[in-house]
Amino acid sequence: NAGVTQTPKFRVLKTGQSMTLLCAQDMNHEYMYWYRQDPGMGLRLIHYSVGEGTTAKGEVPDGYNVSRLKKQNFLLGLESAAPSQTSVYFCASSYMGTGGSTEAFFGQGTRLTVV
Amino acid sequence: AQSVTQLGSHVSVSEGALVLLRCNYSSSVPPYLFWYVQYPNQGLQLLLKYTTGATLVKGINGFEAEFKKSETSFHLTKPSAHMSDAAEYFCAVSVLNSGYSTLTFGKGTMLLVSP
Repeated sequence: NAGVTQTPKFRVLKTGQSMTLLCAQDMNHEYMYWYRQDPGMGLRLIHYSVGEGTTAKGEVPDGYNVSRLKKQNFLLGLESAAPSQTSVYFCASSYMGTGGSTEAFFGQGTRLTVV
Repeated sequence: AQSVTQLGSHVSVSEGALVLLRCNYSSSVPPYLFWYVQYPNQGLQLLLKYTTGATLVKGINGFEAEFKKSETSFHLTKPSAHMSDAAEYFCAVSVLNSGYSTLTFGKGTMLLVSP
């Protein structure tokens, strides 16, 4: 039982390059989330999805796009990477929204450096 | 808007001492509150959660937290620290976001445990 798997684990990009981060969950969860973690800032929500084919903006969506073509996958794209996007990115999933008793399960993170 | 404030970016304790990590929330409605732990180079793991009912919540690894509505607090405690408790701890509140619930995190508290 893998849970939430993020690919890749590490990546270095040059400014202006593009890339896609992949998140896959095998728990049949409806909700999926992308967060970024920066020192002293905690985790901030970038985008989230409440089901296949639906996405919504979170707290810090600028510079990112997402897609949820399959229920188990949630992709985070950077079209033109900037140094300000250097961060650790976490994907999470939950059966329902995180209100009530629903727990969010997190992946191991992707450490992205933009030079 | 709902938010979370964690007091102290770093807390240092000796092994065997009481652990107290502080969390205050702001919410206009009854909140759902969570504590997550992040060990070095790993994702976040749920320690405990408060939804409704008993205000003293017990979690994994001997941690517990008490929901105090009058103080808008959800402090995390453990009677006796162990070296393995050294990690970063995040308090989170479930918020409604365009009709769906997502997690908003505090900035985190790093727990340092010395022998």
